[in-house]
Amino acid sequence: NAGVTQTPKFQVLKTGQSMTLQCAQDMNHEYMSWYRQDPGMGLRLIHYSVGAGITDQGEVPNGYNVSRSTTEDFPLRLLSAAPSQTSVYFCASSYSIAGGRMNTEAFFGQGTRLTVV
Amino acid sequence: RKEVEQDPGPFNVPEGATVAFNCTYSNSASQSFFWYRQDCRKEPKLLMSVYSSGNEDGRFTAQLNRASQYISLLIRDSKLSDSATYLCVVNDATGANNLFFGTGTRLTVIP
Repeated sequence: NAGVTQTPKFQVLKTGQSMTLQCAQDMNHEYMSWYRQDPGMGLRLIHYSVGAGITDQGEVPNGYNVSRSTTEDFPLRLLSAAPSQTSVYFCASSYSIAGGRMNTEAFFGQGTRLTVV
Repeated sequence: RKEVEQDPGPFNVPEGATVAFNCTYSNSASQSFFWYRQDCRKEPKLLMSVYSSGNEDGRFTAQLNRASQYISLLIRDSKLSDSATYLCVVNDATGANNLFFGTGTRLTVIP
């Protein structure tokens, strides 16, 4: 049971380059999200999706795009990398809280350490 | 104002000690509350959900005070393996399952 798989684990980009961080889950979770974690800031929500074909912005969406063509996959695209996007990125998935589910556990991928120079 | 505020620590305690972490949240409509644990350079993992009545899981006890918008985690008989960062987490009550994270409290248990 793989859970949430994120690739790559490490990446160095030059300013202005684009790239896609991959995220896949095999738990049939409706909800998927991307966070970035910076020192002293905690995890901040970038984009999220409540199901295939549906995406929305979180707290810090600028400079990132997402799509959700299947339940399993939720890639995050950096359009034109900037040094301010140097961070650790986590993908997470969980069951949706729609329908009254409470306290649904979020499962995280192992993270991608991105450095933009 | 941050959605979730917690003392960043660090807390350095001897083995066997009892340690308490606290956090406050700003959205009174939040319905779900959690403590996650994050080891160095690893992903966060759920430690326990927090229920209004309070709940216990072995050496760990979580409490929620909705009136004060306050969440706590108590760790009894600390072990070396408890050394980690503890994240206070609250959902955003929008109908999605967006989570707001505190910055984390770092705990080091010393032999």
